[in-house]
Amino acid sequence: AQSVAQPEDQVNVAEGNPLTVKCTYSVSGNPYLFWYVQYPNRGLQFLLKYITGDNLVKGSYGFEAEFNKSQTSFHLKKPSALVSDSALYFCAVRDLLNTGFQKLVFGTGTRLLVSP
Amino acid sequence: DSGVTQTPKHLITATGQRVTLRCSPRSGDLSVYWYQQSLDQGLQFLIQYYNGEERAKGNILERFSAQQFPDLHSELNLSSLELGDSALYFCASSVGLAGAPGELFFGEGSRLTVL
Repeated sequence: AQSVAQPEDQVNVAEGNPLTVKCTYSVSGNPYLFWYVQYPNRGLQFLLKYITGDNLVKGSYGFEAEFNKSQTSFHLKKPSALVSDSALYFCAVRDLLNTGFQKLVFGTGTRLLVSP
Repeated sequence: DSGVTQTPKHLITATGQRVTLRCSPRSGDLSVYWYQQSLDQGLQFLIQYYNGEERAKGNILERFSAQQFPDLHSELNLSSLELGDSALYFCASSVGLAGAPGELFFGEGSRLTVL
C-alpha cells in the first residue's frame, strides 16, 4: 500500500529563517505526491504536487518541494518563513485503486510554528 | 474558497442518534470523497463516489453510509453515534478522471460532537 511518513510532529522556526517540513514516501510504481496546509478550523488547502518532471516543484504562498527519488523524500521548503505560515501541514500520496480511480493517503501532519 | 460546500459546519448530538452531513462539490467535479479527521487517527479516507456510483471504500464503519445524488451532491449518514465518532468530517472533490493524478479540493468540514 502507498504511504507517506512525516517524522516530525512539530517544527519551530523563527520568522525570516528558511523552513523545511519533512516527508518520506513508500510506493509501488511512480509516486504522485502532494502537500496540503490546514489553518485552524479550516479545510485543507492544496499547496503543490509532484507528478513528473523537475525535482523542484513550486507551489502557492512561496512554498516549494524537492522530490528525491534516491532518498524517497518530498520535503516542503520555504526560503523565508512568515508568522502567517504557522499551520498544520500534510504530505499525501496518490493511491491508485483497482477501480482505476484514485484516493489520497495522508501523513500524520506536522505542525509548523513560526515565531516573530 | 475551494468551491466545495459542506453543511452543517458544527453539529452537537447525543449518543445513539443519527446525523446527515451534506456536501456540494466544485462545479464540474464528478468525484466526491469523504474523510474523517480525529486527533488519534489523523485523516482517514472513508468513501469515494464518482458520478453517482461508489468507487472506493476505506475505513468506513457499517454504521456509516453515503450516497451521491444525480445533481452530484453527496450525503454522509452517521447512525447509532458513539462518543468516538466525534471528529471533523471533510468532503473533497476532484474531476475524478480515472488514472488522472489530480489534486483534491476540500470543504471547510463539519465538526461533529457526540455527547
